[in-house]
Amino acid sequence: NAGVMQNPRHLVRRRGQEARLRCSPMKGHSHVYWYRQLPEEGLKFMVYLQKENIIDESGMPKERFSAEFPKEGPSILRIQQVVRGDSAAYFCASSPEPGQGFMQYFGPGTRLTVT
Amino acid sequence: AQRVTQPEKLLSVFKGAPVELKCNYSYSGSPELFWYVQYSRQRLQLLLRHISRESIKGFTADLNKGETSFHLKKPFAQEEDSAMYYCAPQMDSNYQLIWGAGTKLIIKP
Repeated sequence: NAGVMQNPRHLVRRRGQEARLRCSPMKGHSHVYWYRQLPEEGLKFMVYLQKENIIDESGMPKERFSAEFPKEGPSILRIQQVVRGDSAAYFCASSPEPGQGFMQYFGPGTRLTVT
Repeated sequence: AQRVTQPEKLLSVFKGAPVELKCNYSYSGSPELFWYVQYSRQRLQLLLRHISRESIKGFTADLNKGETSFHLKKPFAQEEDSAMYYCAPQMDSNYQLIWGAGTKLIIKP
């Protein structure tokens, strides 16, 4: 069973461009979580999605950021008109149906650098 | 409000010394508690969870309901323990994890 996959692993964008980050959850997992980790900072929750639904986006910046998890294919985190402050590591995690004691399984992350 | 606090942003101890990473939570119910670890340039991984009562890599964590704490402990730190540690209680009815800010542990030789 392949783990959580993220691509690309490294992404360089110029200011004003769009960044698209992809996350393929573990087989059998239908719940995806996106986190951001700024340099030398801790993990910050961004958004929680199920297939075709956004469940909790309380950690998402109000502008320029969006996420989706379509019925088919990976979850996508999209950042429009990137700025230098968007440079960070973006991690995705997946889980089966949440329940007591459930775990999240993390991907290797995408390191976004905005130049 | 549900909240988890890891009061130390950075903790530095010498190899062989005991380690305690603090975690306090605010929740009136009985949470499930997890510690996740992130080694340098690696993905986050589960270190231990209270429900399984395991001891992983010499680490243990005891739930203290009176103090609402779930501190992570190891009697003798090793250099390979240097990493970022996150406490993540599962406190709400949706079973979501509430993440602490993390503690960076540095083990000095």
